[in-house]
Amino acid sequence: DTGVSQDPRHKITKRGQNVTFRCDPISEHNRLYWYRQTLGQGPEFLTYFQNEAQLEKSRLLSDRFSAERPKGSFSTLEIQRTEQGDSAMYLCASSSNHPTSGRVGEQFFGPGTRLTVL
Amino acid sequence: AQKITQTQPGMFVQEKEAVTLDCTYDTSDPSYGLFWYKQPSSGEMIFLIYQGSYDQQNATEGRYSLNFQKARKSANLVISASQLGDSAMYFCAMREGPVAAGNKLTFGGGTRVLVKP
Repeated sequence: DTGVSQDPRHKITKRGQNVTFRCDPISEHNRLYWYRQTLGQGPEFLTYFQNEAQLEKSRLLSDRFSAERPKGSFSTLEIQRTEQGDSAMYLCASSSNHPTSGRVGEQFFGPGTRLTVL
Repeated sequence: AQKITQTQPGMFVQEKEAVTLDCTYDTSDPSYGLFWYKQPSSGEMIFLIYQGSYDQQNATEGRYSLNFQKARKSANLVISASQLGDSAMYFCAMREGPVAAGNKLTFGGGTRVLVKP
């Protein structure tokens, strides 16, 4: 399977704990995006990487959130001191400006990580 | 102001009939792209169709077509010959700026479609 993968698929944690999610994009994709989706809503943008550089961060990304893409391949999203309001689906997407197939800029989404904070 | 508005929270459609999902958008950027994604109960976001702001013709992908009315800033999705597997949430999304910029997507609130046998 050469799609976007995310790990874990589900995470249940207690309030105040730290959690870390991983996203592996499609191998030739240089762009990687994180979105958050709460129940019944559309996804909201969190942050975006081009290669290893974090180019944009949403104001939704509070100080408790940090994202990295150390070698321009996989990315991690860490949430420190989780709160109940952090409960959501965290979606990762990737795209390429030089795709071998598909449209330039088309974002391919992973299956998401569903976080539940008790 | 909302950048993407989907005014239909939910719709029922009879199997084999066509359904139109509404989407209006707001941007001052002359270069933008409009997307429709399907999200079944499993949660994955499945790309359906894309329309670029400079595309002269309405996009079509199999049973999906996009009714792009640029002056009205609308990009409605038409699903023809609905199937039971079409039951899902449908999201309209917009990328502002040219494709090469790699800008984020802004999503609407979604429309839930239930196909009745």
